[in-house]
Amino acid sequence: EIVLTQSPGTLSLSPGERATLSCRASQSVSSSYLAWYQQKPGQAPRLLIYGASSRATGIPDRFSGSGSGTDFTLTISRLEPEDFAVYYCQQYGSSLPTFGGGTKVEIK
Amino acid sequence: QVTLKESGPVLVKPTETLTLTCTVSGFSLSNARMGVSWIRQPPGKALEWLAHIFSNDEKSYSTSLKSRLTISKDTSKSQVVLTMTNMDPVDTATYYCARIPTSSSWYDYWGQGTLVTVSS
Repeated sequence: EIVLTQSPGTLSLSPGERATLSCRASQSVSSSYLAWYQQKPGQAPRLLIYGASSRATGIPDRFSGSGSGTDFTLTISRLEPEDFAVYYCQQYGSSLPTFGGGTKVEIK
Repeated sequence: QVTLKESGPVLVKPTETLTLTCTVSGFSLSNARMGVSWIRQPPGKALEWLAHIFSNDEKSYSTSLKSRLTISKDTSKSQVVLTMTNMDPVDTATYYCARIPTSSSWYDYWGQGTLVTVSS
């Protein structure tokens, strides 16, 4: 099983600031198999990024994904009030699907 | 419009068996390009993948929960059913079903989730 470790656990930022979230895998993951989700309180996760860097339908371009191998990054260029939420990475490569522990982006 | 909706008991007792149903619309479970997974989330904790089933009836289960899980589908009813035996309070969680295109590795549509509490 591939373990995904997300850091930091919590990111305290102000609206307009840049957010950089990390997802590290215990073994190499093909970029095609790495996704990011946003989850707000009381809601289901929403797909943001798939294939490590492709934005899902309707996702604003302030969200971007990058990385390869074992290190992946989600960047929010300028935080909007609606971006404060929990973010999860997920992989489904050669083994079974797994999710990271999440990064909470909170208002500073 | 693609939708998934979970249904099942809100409360189960320890040692009982949980049966959850995911009813889908906007796509067919017989579509060779689609699968459905069950994913859970204990209160305040992270997401945990449980199982999935594809149109060809291929099934996979979480390694740690495999002995307790069974997933099946009824294409005519557009339903995917998950059973989990020997429920314990640590299984208290919101249970989601989500769609995964066969050719991909991500979940593009999710149900709203259903909170299941395990308590005597």
